[in-house]
Amino acid sequence: EAGVAQSPRYKIIEKRQSVAFWCNPISGHATLYWYQQILGQGPKLLIQFQNNGVVDDSQLPKDRFSAERLKGVDSTLKIQPAKLEDSAVYLCASTVSGTGNYNEQFFGPGTRLTVL
Amino acid sequence: QKEVEQNSGPLSVPEGAIASLNCTYSDRGSQSFFWYRQYSGKSPELIMSIYSNGDKEDGRFTAQLNKASQYVSLLIRDSQPSDSATYLCAVNSGSARQLTFGSGTQLTVLP
Repeated sequence: EAGVAQSPRYKIIEKRQSVAFWCNPISGHATLYWYQQILGQGPKLLIQFQNNGVVDDSQLPKDRFSAERLKGVDSTLKIQPAKLEDSAVYLCASTVSGTGNYNEQFFGPGTRLTVL
Repeated sequence: QKEVEQNSGPLSVPEGAIASLNCTYSDRGSQSFFWYRQYSGKSPELIMSIYSNGDKEDGRFTAQLNKASQYVSLLIRDSQPSDSATYLCAVNSGSARQLTFGSGTQLTVLP
């Protein structure tokens, strides 16, 4: 079974530029998450999708971050404009269904973003 | 604010010893608990999940849960250098059943 796919793996941009990350979850997984992991910290949830609907985006900085999952499968996370503090690893995770108590989440390889 | 606290480490143990990693959480409504292993430069990998009070064993790994004390731990027996990584505790809680992660404990197993 293929795992969660993400691209690109690395991205270096100047501040105020825009960037987009792509995620393809495990086949059949209805729930998709985007996390931000800053060096030395645990992953922090940015947004949770159930199929193509947003369940929670309370920690997404909506003035600069946006995300979509149009057909309930692939998802894109965008940052525009980027700030220095956005330098982090952006992780995508998926689970069969996020509404149960036992939803084990599986992570993709992540995208390491450096903002100069 | 739901919180998950872990020993900040770093923790060093000799090869063959037992490594003990601890985690406490603030949300009494939490229902499920996970341990992820994260090698440097890699993404988190799920190694254990536990849902009921008591112990759960899987190979060299044992997860322990005490909901009354809001405490979860991970024991690694016969530690190997390949176990050297950061271990993240994650707790599933809230109406949307989201994971809240601790900041991780860095484990080094010395040959």
